[in-house]
Amino acid sequence: GQQVMQIPQYQHVQEGEDFTTYCNSSTTLSNIQWYKQRPGGHPVFLIQLVKSGEVKKQKRLTFQFGEAKKNSSLHITATQTTDVGTYFCAGQGGANSKLTFGKGITLSVRP
Amino acid sequence: KAGVTQTPRYLIKTRGQQVTLSCSPISGHRSVSWYQQTPGQGLQFLFEYFSETQRNKGNFPGRFSGRQFSNSRSEMNVSTLELGDSALYLCASSLWGILAGEVNEQFFGPGTRLTVL
Repeated sequence: GQQVMQIPQYQHVQEGEDFTTYCNSSTTLSNIQWYKQRPGGHPVFLIQLVKSGEVKKQKRLTFQFGEAKKNSSLHITATQTTDVGTYFCAGQGGANSKLTFGKGITLSVRP
Repeated sequence: KAGVTQTPRYLIKTRGQQVTLSCSPISGHRSVSWYQQTPGQGLQFLFEYFSETQRNKGNFPGRFSGRQFSNSRSEMNVSTLELGDSALYLCASSLWGILAGEVNEQFFGPGTRLTVL
């Protein structure tokens, strides 16, 4: 079945550093989503990417969908302590198919 | 608009018992998905219901079941509980399938923390 992988599971950065994480799917995706879960909270939707090579920005966050629609990246510029949390990517194989989540990457930021 | 609500928020059960969790989606959302979250395993998909029909199913044993009512509220049931079923169970609702091709944002509830002793 479809697998979505996020490696590593933890990353520690110094406040102000940039951070990039990647998400890889075993199969071609129709779309990919990113969610953020703060400690003790529930996942909150950040973005959905649909088109091959699509790039979307949200303030300091930049999301990209790979040309082959099998991978995606999240880049955070100049991390802040408010960026701490676990970032999940989730891929959907086709219309109305299930959403498969990666295991997430937990980001900690040293002030 | 009220968000997704889940009841109860916390539950303690013993092995062999069964449990029913409830989820009320955002008004107008007909898709409800259930996920199991455990440390290190991320969110594992259990099943998704759309207009009272199970549309997708994950790789969980038959002890895990669910249903959806005509008002889109959903319940999941776990029978013969095992220690490994201890987890945070998250429910998410969306407009998925109503707005084909649009953003399929999942709105998560706060979850039910199930502890099996």
